Amino acid sequence: NAGVMQNPRHLVRRRGQEARLRCSPMKGHSHVYWYRQLPEEGLKFMVYLQKENIIDESGMPKERFSAEFPKEGPSILRIQQVVRGDSAAYFCASSPSDRKQETQYFGPGTRLLVL
Amino acid sequence: GNSVTQMEGPVTLSEEAFLTINCTYTATGYPSLFWYVQYPGEGLQLLLKATKADDKGSNKGFEATYRKETTSFHLEKGSVQVSDSAVYFCALSDSNTGKLIFGQGTTLQVKP
Repeated sequence: NAGVMQNPRHLVRRRGQEARLRCSPMKGHSHVYWYRQLPEEGLKFMVYLQKENIIDESGMPKERFSAEFPKEGPSILRIQQVVRGDSAAYFCASSPSDRKQETQYFGPGTRLLVL
Repeated sequence: GNSVTQMEGPVTLSEEAFLTINCTYTATGYPSLFWYVQYPGEGLQLLLKATKADDKGSNKGFEATYRKETTSFHLEKGSVQVSDSAVYFCALSDSNTGKLIFGQGTTLQVKP
């Protein structure tokens, strides 16, 4: 039973390039959450998606960041025109529902480094 | 708004010592509470959870009790091991969307 998969595990981009991060949830899970962990900080919620719908994007920066979770395929977090401040670890988590008592299962993360 | 506060680290203990990591929260409604652990270079793993007041979550010798009256969810272990060295995160879940709100994390170092 495969867990949450993320790729790539490490991503290096130069300022101004685009970063595309992928997340495949656990089998049977249709709820995906993205979190960002800045160096020496805790995790901050970014966006919550269900299949083909963004439910809560209150933690997403207003510009350059977007997310999707299509009917088929992985969830994608896209960062356009990256800046050095985007360097962080990006984690996705999946769960079978959005009930507050539901456990979220985390992927290994994508560590983005912007040069 | 909802928030979680953890004791600052790092916490350095000798093997077999008693561990307490304090966690307090502010929330509307009745959230579920979680402890996650992160080993170097890895993602987060659920350590334990409690979904209502007075519930005790436990796993691998770790325990935490959901205290509504003190809005706390302190993590304890009676005898730590070197392999427990990691970063520990306390979190609560939003009642509407289930999104997690994390504390800042506490680094635990256990020395032999």
